[in-house]
Amino acid sequence: QVQLQQSGPELVKPGASVRISCKASGYTFTSYYIHWVKQRPGQGLEWIGWIYPGNVNTKYNEKFKGKATLTADKSSSTAYMQLSSLTSEDSAVYFCARDGHYYGSPFDYWGQGTTLTVSS
Amino acid sequence: DILLTQSPAILSVSPGERVSFSCRASQSIGTSIHWYQQRTNGSPRLLIKYASESISGIPSRFSGSGSGTDFTLSINSVESEDIADYYCQQSNSWPRTFGGGTKLEIK
Repeated sequence: QVQLQQSGPELVKPGASVRISCKASGYTFTSYYIHWVKQRPGQGLEWIGWIYPGNVNTKYNEKFKGKATLTADKSSSTAYMQLSSLTSEDSAVYFCARDGHYYGSPFDYWGQGTTLTVSS
Repeated sequence: DILLTQSPAILSVSPGERVSFSCRASQSIGTSIHWYQQRTNGSPRLLIKYASESISGIPSRFSGSGSGTDFTLSINSVESEDIADYYCQQSNSWPRTFGGGTKLEIK
């Protein structure tokens, strides 16, 4: 069965960087886009960007350019998101999600979420 | 960016009632809208794709309708396990955007 397993909660200081992982299993990792979504406490969902592990192409929401960097490791079927120059505004739960393989597909499988807390 | 406006912010219904969630897009997006359920401290779960297409494993009491700019998610007979936030999401253009969500409460 398809699973996306994310790394554990992070507590980091302002100005630092953090890398969150999303390990995929149960499907061909290189054939589906992985998206990342941000959810601030008590707030809605915000799309950050996607990576296509097959050719490591990426696309970002303009709002997150310079903040998020998406990478993928085919050998371990793991996608990563690095967030840099962290501030309190980056404190949130971050989800990875797979889309359905075709343009316009919904996000059919989601990771469990990684809670990031930025605090000194 | 396409703005999705969900209304109302909160819905309160009794078990067994029918409930409808509204999602309005700032421009026409055909049927490129998907609905998700998010329970407290959980991950979003896909309920309906492309406005009205059902998803395997999702109870048949969930249905969707609409096209263009106005979309509706309905629950035919609400159960206590349906307590959650509900979000619409568009896949017509980049960036992908979500509505602000509607919280379903059970009386």
